[in-house]
Amino acid sequence: DADVTQTPRNRITKTGKRIMLECSQTKGHDRMYWYRQDPGLGLRLIYYSFDVKDINKGEISDGYSVSRQAQAKFSLSLESAIPNQTALYFCATSDFTGGVNNEQFFGPGTRLTVL
Amino acid sequence: DQQVKQNSPSLSVQEGRISILNCDYTNSMFDYFLWYKKYPAEGPTFLISISSIKDKNEDGRFTVFLNKSAKHLSLHIVPSQPGDSAVYFCAASRGRGNTPLVFGKGTRLSVIA
Repeated sequence: DADVTQTPRNRITKTGKRIMLECSQTKGHDRMYWYRQDPGLGLRLIYYSFDVKDINKGEISDGYSVSRQAQAKFSLSLESAIPNQTALYFCATSDFTGGVNNEQFFGPGTRLTVL
Repeated sequence: DQQVKQNSPSLSVQEGRISILNCDYTNSMFDYFLWYKKYPAEGPTFLISISSIKDKNEDGRFTVFLNKSAKHLSLHIVPSQPGDSAVYFCAASRGRGNTPLVFGKGTRLSVIA
């Protein structure tokens, strides 16, 4: 079973619609992250959470909101989707100690298209 | 302002030869550096890391070199294999587990058989 899961894997929606992307993890990590990937722009941080009561904005948080419902769940919402939010979205987790390699573990991604 | 830069969007290498991927950073507070590999339709997967107290770390065919004075790191893959064809991201952080990773834009490696 995958340690970090994302739903849905693909979503097509229309401008102005509200969309929620969900992330769940079974790794027992306390830290969770949302990134988006655009061609030629790499991975950019949207929001991150170091525990259930902690939410922090990343580099590109405008137009997005998040909710940390439990240690294992972190959802990303687009309140009113716009076409330039078309991208690949990745959830990631990490341990508060940084683990052996100070690494983050990524989910498989959600491909979102806003028409 | 980009803190982690990968200036080569793409690289093509013959199978069996060495692949060298480069990364530069501007923030002198970064002390952990990682390389991730990404295949299409999958999430990035961790490849290798190095802390600022070292200048080299090896794991099988993969070696990362860190030059702190130049704020530069490189990933060497020897020998390159067709399965290594992917996008490689360089990432950096301040502290261990304390701050999110900052990623470069990635380099697409193509290993030609």
